[in-house]
Amino acid sequence: DTAVSQTPKYLVTQMGNDKSIKCEQNLGHDTMYWYKQDSKKFLKIMFSYNNKELIINETVPNRFSPKSPDKAHLNLHINSLELGDSAVYFCASTTGTAFRENTEAFFGQGTRLTVV
Amino acid sequence: GQNIDQPTEMTATEGAIVQINCTYQTSGFNGLFWYQQHAGEAPTFLSYNVLDGLEEKGRFSSFLSRSKGYSYLLLKELQMKDSASYLCAVRDRNYGGATNKLIFGTGTLLAVQP
Repeated sequence: DTAVSQTPKYLVTQMGNDKSIKCEQNLGHDTMYWYKQDSKKFLKIMFSYNNKELIINETVPNRFSPKSPDKAHLNLHINSLELGDSAVYFCASTTGTAFRENTEAFFGQGTRLTVV
Repeated sequence: GQNIDQPTEMTATEGAIVQINCTYQTSGFNGLFWYQQHAGEAPTFLSYNVLDGLEEKGRFSSFLSRSKGYSYLLLKELQMKDSASYLCAVRDRNYGGATNKLIFGTGTLLAVQP
């Protein structure tokens, strides 16, 4: 069974469209994330939810809207797609924080978004 | 603010030892992680350090010095399959007690040659 699964794996769409990426984890983790990895392979955090509550919201255009219907799911909706949104988007999850605890992140396989 | 630096690329020979360095600056340090990422795949966890010293795990070891803001990943007996990007990530606790914020470096692309 896949621990963190994202769909779709590939997404090609035209500028101006609206699209969604879904993520589900079956690890029982409390916290989920969206990361963006650009062409230079830099992995940058976008959002984090803990038990359906938004915890981290980096400087991301408001065209990006995360939604967490329950703690096992974190979806990402993108409005009015632009060329610069082309990247690989990774979903990840961790257990809740305990001081000095090893809370490794488990990543989904990524969604390669190409805006044309 | 936060800043993490790693070399962009490294090359090593099969069977050899390679050390990948990472320096960081963060006000709320709460652990350092190393991840491996093969091309086109997701990052996978390799090691975790929160106290100073060396953590060994098979062919991989990771070292941390909090006073110097420095870590390294040591890979021994290199194999061709070790060719990948190695990402250093620091956990920052200044985002409240309910979550981890993992801040990644830009990664080091390691090429293992025969």
